[in-house]
Amino acid sequence: AQSVSQHNHHVILSEAASLELGCNYSYGGTVNLFWYVQYPGQHLQLLLKYFSGDPLVKGIKGFEAEFIKSKFSFNLRKPSVQWSDTAEYFCAVTGGSNFGNEKLTFGTGTRLTIIP
Amino acid sequence: EPEVTQTPSHQVTQMGQEVILRCVPISNHLYFYWYRQILGQKVEFLVSFYNNEISEKSEIFDDQFSVERPDGSNFTLKIRSTKLEDSAMYFCASRATTTTNEKLFFGSGTQLSVL
Repeated sequence: AQSVSQHNHHVILSEAASLELGCNYSYGGTVNLFWYVQYPGQHLQLLLKYFSGDPLVKGIKGFEAEFIKSKFSFNLRKPSVQWSDTAEYFCAVTGGSNFGNEKLTFGTGTRLTIIP
Repeated sequence: EPEVTQTPSHQVTQMGQEVILRCVPISNHLYFYWYRQILGQKVEFLVSFYNNEISEKSEIFDDQFSVERPDGSNFTLKIRSTKLEDSAMYFCASRATTTTNEKLFFGSGTQLSVL
């Protein structure tokens, strides 16, 4: 069974600092990887996703993530955070190329607080 | 951007009572899902639904749970006899297809509190 680990539970940064949130997954086969963001009081939104091809994926709002297969990692990065990036960030995975099996497995989430 | 709508945003119920959580998926979507998040824990898959039947369910989705698409627009999750441990945020999601690049749209969630 697949699993996702997010080791940072709460990250506090000042505006303009650089961000990296860790995500490691456990799955033996082909994976599809996602980062979702949940702003306070809002629904989950897709930040970016990786299915295949270039392991460096660019998403919305200046976020990017790099898939490193040898490390089973898909860390989220942003060079300069803003106060509006304060939110909960979730890494998620689906396994395999059978897209009928589209069940997402989520990590526990990382709460990001940006101090103005 | 189109939205998945969930009502109510917060539901409070007594243990043992039945609750129905409602979702209106995006109108041309065919695949529907329920996820839940217990406070402080990860978001967990409950069930997926396609063509008027369950396509996959997790071990959480026991006989107390059921889903229905009663008309062309609503997608409901029913908990027959709620337990304290059912308290969680319940998210509905939908997508048009399950092809590679198809995006999953989530609703804002219903916070269920079982007392």
